[in-house]
Amino acid sequence: EPEVTQTPSHQVTQMGQEVILRCVPISNHLYFYWYRQILGQKVEFLVSFYNNEISEKSEIFDDQFSVERPDGSNFTLKIRSTKLEDSAMYFCASYTSGTSYEQYFGPGTRLTVT
Amino acid sequence: AQKITQTQPGMFVQEKEAVTLDCTYDTSDPSYGLFWYKQPSSGEMIFLIYQGSYDQQNATEGRYSLNFQKARKSANLVISASQLGDSAMYFCAMREPPNTGNQFYFGTGTSLTVIP
Repeated sequence: EPEVTQTPSHQVTQMGQEVILRCVPISNHLYFYWYRQILGQKVEFLVSFYNNEISEKSEIFDDQFSVERPDGSNFTLKIRSTKLEDSAMYFCASYTSGTSYEQYFGPGTRLTVT
Repeated sequence: AQKITQTQPGMFVQEKEAVTLDCTYDTSDPSYGLFWYKQPSSGEMIFLIYQGSYDQQNATEGRYSLNFQKARKSANLVISASQLGDSAMYFCAMREPPNTGNQFYFGTGTSLTVIP
């Protein structure tokens, strides 16, 4: 069964450093997403990406965040200057429209900012 | 207003018993989809069940069923014959409309513990 993959599974970084979280969505999917889950809290939407551009973003997704699809398979989330409050699990998801409804989630990257 | 409300932060159920996890939603869009995800302690999000707003029948997937009450805007998850492996966080989510690329809105989750 096709799956979304994410690397790394756990990233530890110091405050102020840049991090790039990587995702490989399912190959025939068209929509890509990043969600964030602070420990013990709900899953929050960050950004959606379609046709090589951001289609929707939340208020959390400020100028410190950016997304990119550098090639035909990877989808990345960059945090330019990490803050302590960026510590969370980051989920990538992908979706193809039409008759399918399920949004497939990756296993997540746990980001710890010290 | 919250799009998805889950009012039970924690639930306990005896093994082999059934349990209902509550979810209410808020939308003015006539076309929407409701989803339940399971998140075990390992952290991944596992899709359980889907209900479309136009579906006439309640969705079922094995031991999972969704009690969809459209007028009350509720989409409760029923787990029958609970197993120890069902212990996890459960999230209700909504997308409006369901077959677009729009974002998911998640509830705060319910932590289910199955007692042997």
